[in-house]
Amino acid sequence: GAVVSQHPSRVICKSGTSVKIECRSLDFQATTMFWYRQFPKQSLMLMATSNEGSKATYEQGVEKDKFLINHASLTLSTLTVTSAHPEDSSFYICSARPGRASLNIQYFGAGTRLSVL
Amino acid sequence: AQSVTQLGSHVSVSEGALVLLRCNYSSSVPPYLFWYVQYPNQGLQLLLKYTTGATLVKGINGFEAEFKKSETSFHLTKPSAHMSDAAEYFCAVSDRYGNKLVFGAGTILRVKS
Repeated sequence: GAVVSQHPSRVICKSGTSVKIECRSLDFQATTMFWYRQFPKQSLMLMATSNEGSKATYEQGVEKDKFLINHASLTLSTLTVTSAHPEDSSFYICSARPGRASLNIQYFGAGTRLSVL
Repeated sequence: AQSVTQLGSHVSVSEGALVLLRCNYSSSVPPYLFWYVQYPNQGLQLLLKYTTGATLVKGINGFEAEFKKSETSFHLTKPSAHMSDAAEYFCAVSDRYGNKLVFGAGTILRVKS
């Protein structure tokens, strides 16, 4: 089946530093990738949608200058949390969607747990 | 706008017993509905989905769900629980283009031996 790799699985950083999370589709080309955030005991919330070669579309309330998304190739998207603060600590999950033939299916990575000290 | 409510953040069943995880949705457009399972330290895995057609949908690992428009529900069932079914389950809804998945809060299933 389709595999999405997310790295790192866990990261601890100091307040004020930036953290980059990678999301790769290993065996398919992902025209669209999605980034979600999950707070403890809460739903996954969509942060942004990224299409290869174009700017990401952010959901209302998500700061695009704080959460930089790059989707430079059909197999890789990155999320950079800039100037991280303790309130950014959360579980971040990416997903990837293959082409039009599977328009409504998303394959998920294992998530990245970010802890900002 | 779309939303999903999963009734019961924790469900506990005995091995061999029926599993029933409840999901109700709200959608202003015909919904596409999904159930995902998440095992510890792993990504979400698609169990099954409803798009159009037959309202009883069968998925992997013996799970099935029935779309009931009149009740705006999409409950997940399995006749006989197995220890390996212990995980967290998420119900989700999207529009027909799959552009935005809206998730429920999740239900943790515990299977007792």
